[in-house]
Amino acid sequence: ETGVTQSPTHLIKTRGQQVTLRCSSQSGHNTVSWYQQALGQGPQFIFQYYREEENGRGNFPPRFSGLQFPNYSSELNVNALELDDSALYLCASSPGTGDTEAFFGQGTRLTVV
Amino acid sequence: RKEVEQDPGPFNVPEGATVAFNCTYSNSASQSFFWYRQDCRKEPKLLMSVYSSGNEDGRFTAQLNRASQYISLLIRDSKLSDSATYLCVVNGLSSYKLIFGSGTRLLVRP
Repeated sequence: ETGVTQSPTHLIKTRGQQVTLRCSSQSGHNTVSWYQQALGQGPQFIFQYYREEENGRGNFPPRFSGLQFPNYSSELNVNALELDDSALYLCASSPGTGDTEAFFGQGTRLTVV
Repeated sequence: RKEVEQDPGPFNVPEGATVAFNCTYSNSASQSFFWYRQDCRKEPKLLMSVYSSGNEDGRFTAQLNRASQYISLLIRDSKLSDSATYLCVVNGLSSYKLIFGSGTRLLVRP
């Protein structure tokens, strides 16, 4: 096991609602990245947090936002949910930014109906 | 053009077969390369990093050709447990982000 935990594991929301997903990073890791994986696709980078600051962002709209806390755990918030937001959301922690190895949590499967 | 391209497969091979996956990437400035394995409905897990000189880990061999922007993974003596999706991954223009291919699905049959 990677030591990265995500909650909840599954979630069903209605279009237009808001959702918060949570991630606890591996001990000693100060960097958390979030990815969205649609069915049949590879994970797509959403953003990364390093020491509580956003360190980079992918091509996702502003309704995708995040936070990192002093203990390096993190949240992903998505407002105004759309049907296309249905996906597996993956959190990855790493000991630093850059090209260090990323350890993934088991993911949160979000279904928007 | 996708930043990382892979043949989606599926590759359907018998146990004991040798199978090779290929991947191309568009950003010549990429410095880090990986193969991840993903089982059905599970998270991706690092299989191996890929180095310029090529590297081997048991039955798995990875090669990198920077000139052609091409990465490969060779699996020898396939096992049933090798059945999974194999994701080719490179770091992006900004090194903090990993760019994943769509994955190549491998099915190993008895």
